[in-house]
Amino acid sequence: DAGITQSPRHKVTETGTPVTLRCHQTENHRYMYWYRQDPGHGLRLIHYSYGVKDTDKGEVSDGYSVSRSKTEDFLLTLESATSSQTSVYFCAISVRQGKNTEAFFGQGTRLTVV
Amino acid sequence: RKEVEQDPGPFNVPEGATVAFNCTYSNSASQSFFWYRQDCRKEPKLLMSVYSSGNEDGRFTAQLNRASQYISLLIRDSKLSDSATYLCVVIPQRYAGNNRKLIWGLGTSLGVNP
Repeated sequence: DAGITQSPRHKVTETGTPVTLRCHQTENHRYMYWYRQDPGHGLRLIHYSYGVKDTDKGEVSDGYSVSRSKTEDFLLTLESATSSQTSVYFCAISVRQGKNTEAFFGQGTRLTVV
Repeated sequence: RKEVEQDPGPFNVPEGATVAFNCTYSNSASQSFFWYRQDCRKEPKLLMSVYSSGNEDGRFTAQLNRASQYISLLIRDSKLSDSATYLCVVIPQRYAGNNRKLIWGLGTSLGVNP
C-alpha cells in the first residue's frame, strides 16, 4: 500500500459543470500521474507531475487541467465536463525501487457526465 | 506501430492449465518492464517486475527477450483466482530526468474456468 487515496470514488455530474478530482499521497513521492481508462483504450495519461508546481501534459490532456501546490496532493480538473469524459480515472505514483521504477495506483474514481 | 502491444485475448483456459502472454515493445532502449494485474473494476496492481535474467514468483514466470523486444508472462497451474486482465508496462530509456513516463499495454484478458 503506497498510501494513495482518491476522492471522490464516484461522481455523477452534468455536462458543462466543472469537476475536480483529488489524489492524495502520504509518502512524499515526487512523480504523480492522472490516467483515464476506457474500454478498448487502456490506460491513457492525462497529465503528470514531477514536483510541486511542475506538471506536464500527457496524451489526452485536452479539457483537463491539473495543479500540484503541495507534494501530497495532485488535483485534476475538468473545466467543463462533457459526456466523452465519462470514464474511470486513476491516480498513480511512481517509486524508484533499486534500479527499477514501480507504479502504484489509487482505487479509481468513476465519473459519469450526464 | 504502438509503443507497447499485447494480444487482448480473451484467453479462456481450464483450471490447472499453463498459459503464456507476450508483450512487444518498439523502443529498443527501454530499460524497465513490469507485469500488472487488474481485476474487474479495480485498480491495476503490480504482479512482478521483469528482469533481464528472467524471474519467477511461485506459479508466475516473467522473461525478457531484448533481441526480439518482448516480455512474457507464464502462469502455471492456473487458478480460478487468476482470472483478470494482465497489463504490461515499459519505461523507455529516452524518458529521463523529469519525464518518467510509463507506457502501458492495453492488457490481455484471462479467464480461468472450472
